[in-house]
Amino acid sequence: GAVVSQHPSRVICKSGTSVKIECRSLDFQATTMFWYRQFPKQSLMLMATSNEGSKATYEQGVEKDKFLINHASLTLSTLTVTSAHPEDSSFYICSARRGGNEAFFGQGTRLTVV
Amino acid sequence: SQQGEEDPQALSIQEGENATMNCSYKTSINNLQWYRQNSGRGLVHLILIRSNEREKHSGRLRVTLDTSKKSSSLLITASRAADTASYFCATASTGFQKLVFGTGTRLLVSP
Repeated sequence: GAVVSQHPSRVICKSGTSVKIECRSLDFQATTMFWYRQFPKQSLMLMATSNEGSKATYEQGVEKDKFLINHASLTLSTLTVTSAHPEDSSFYICSARRGGNEAFFGQGTRLTVV
Repeated sequence: SQQGEEDPQALSIQEGENATMNCSYKTSINNLQWYRQNSGRGLVHLILIRSNEREKHSGRLRVTLDTSKKSSSLLITASRAADTASYFCATASTGFQKLVFGTGTRLLVSP
């Protein structure tokens, strides 16, 4: 199957700092990538849809100035959590579609803000 | 919220038994997919069933879809300890690319 790589897998940062998470499609081009957030023992909540070369589409309730998304190429999307606070601590997962209906997911990033 | 509901929330069985998980959703769909997630990891796609299909098989997996009831079920036969994971259904609506995930079922298979 297709491979989506997410980096870093774990990150700990101080309150007030920014953290960048990368999502790469390694063996296919992804015009659209998706960013999800998952709290412990809960489901995935879609944060935004990232489109190559255009602005991301954010879900209702997600602060676009807080969660900056950049999809600069067909194989890379980044999520930057700006001015992170402890409540931003969560598991962030990206996914990419290759063209069909199946979505391929990254390994996830565990963010801890202290 | 458009999020689907899954039941049970948690299921504990012995190896060799069958595991059945149910998913209900709220909107019209193009397809419904099932994913597996091991603790703290990404998701792995298991199977996709289209809105015009009623049943689909893949190895030990059997998925049914009832669009009139807006529900789906995932059956894992002859379960193994390695099947221990969380299972999520996800729906894709006609004309949209994004997936809306259900609440998930945590499956524990004991040796």
